[in-house]
Amino acid sequence: GAVVSQHPSWVICKSGTSVKIECRSLDFQATTMFWYRQFPKQSLMLMATSNEGSKATYEQGVEKDKFLINHASLTLSTLTVTSAHPEDSSFYICSAPKPGQSGEQYFGPGTRLTVT
Amino acid sequence: KQEVTQIPAALSVPEGENLVLNCSFTDSAIYNLQWFRQDPGKGLTSLLLIQSSQREQTSGRLNASLDKSSGRSTLYIAASQPGDSATYLCAVRPGGANSKLTFGKGITLSVRP
Repeated sequence: GAVVSQHPSWVICKSGTSVKIECRSLDFQATTMFWYRQFPKQSLMLMATSNEGSKATYEQGVEKDKFLINHASLTLSTLTVTSAHPEDSSFYICSAPKPGQSGEQYFGPGTRLTVT
Repeated sequence: KQEVTQIPAALSVPEGENLVLNCSFTDSAIYNLQWFRQDPGKGLTSLLLIQSSQREQTSGRLNASLDKSSGRSTLYIAASQPGDSATYLCAVRPGGANSKLTFGKGITLSVRP
């Protein structure tokens, strides 16, 4: 079964509004989670690393004030797209490392965001 | 900077064929390599994980190999089925269990009945 969940699975919002996406690790704790976005027929682009108890680390070119990340607990990270624009429409996916040293990543099912 | 390449971008084969999907990476100093499957509009499903010290991993009809020195990995799919149709991505992790993955662009596989 799924070990990382995302909510909502899809969302439509109007330009200028904000939308929050949740990422939860199920039955395990994750001090680190990763947020990706994916454009149609493109690969995943890492946006930021979410760290429990400290600030997120953003990749170059990603606006931290636009994409707010909060790692509220050891099982929950949220991504808030603020003042959304149509160009923010994309598929957002989170991941969490499997506990231990294997380095395996579990990925969530993704959230389809459409900004009208 | 690590770069991961998957060629071709798309592949169409008849059902029953054995096939090989290729992945190459520029920096051989990796912690592990992971193959994923992605169905349209869905998240990623982990298929196989190969640690840097390993040469291959097998799961059912799938076999993944790793040659770090040449910067290559292959995903072998035996007796392909229409249900195998999906996009297959490989990703490498540079160092440490929580370090960032670098993804290839994926290979979209279509298995014709």
